[in-house]
Amino acid sequence: DTGVSQDPRHKITKRGQNVTFRCDPISEHNRLYWYRQTLGQGPEFLTYFQNEAQLEKSRLLSDRFSAERPKGSFSTLEIQRTEQGDSAMYLCASTGGRELFFGEGSRLTVL
Amino acid sequence: RKEVEQDPGPFNVPEGATVAFNCTYSNSASQSFFWYRQDCRKEPKLLMSVYSSGNEDGRFTAQLNRASQYISLLIRDSKLSDSATYLCVVLILTGGGNKLTFGTGTQLKVEL
Repeated sequence: DTGVSQDPRHKITKRGQNVTFRCDPISEHNRLYWYRQTLGQGPEFLTYFQNEAQLEKSRLLSDRFSAERPKGSFSTLEIQRTEQGDSAMYLCASTGGRELFFGEGSRLTVL
Repeated sequence: RKEVEQDPGPFNVPEGATVAFNCTYSNSASQSFFWYRQDCRKEPKLLMSVYSSGNEDGRFTAQLNRASQYISLLIRDSKLSDSATYLCVVLILTGGGNKLTFGTGTQLKVEL
């Protein structure tokens, strides 16, 4: 399967714990996006990479959130000191042109 | 004001009906426009791009009005399988690159 893959698919954690999500984009895609989606809402932009450079970061993203794409291939999204409001689906998408290809998402539940 | 606004619906229509969705965007610097489809508990997938001259793909027609900052999607002869959430997406070129902003989505339910 050469699509976008995300890991883990589901994560349940206690408030205050740190979590990390991984995204493996389609190999030839140079742009990678992270979005967050809650029930009844559209995907909310979090951050964007072109190759290894993080070019855009949402002002909604608190300091507890950090993302990396160290070699311009896979990316990680870390959330420190999780809060219940962080519970959501975290979607990764990649593109080499106009169309965004999404992974199936990582669902986070913070208890 | 949200950058991309859509009527959340749901739109409940009988099979065979024609249904139209609207979307407005606030940033006049928006460059490109798309409609994505999202099935329940699935990831969004590209339905079609929206071009200035309007474009059609089978039963689906997309229109763009830059002056009014308005995008539409028309679905003719709707099928049960069209039931999904339709997301309006706008690409803005920022100083850092490309930012793709999604609307909240419009839910469509096609019924027998």
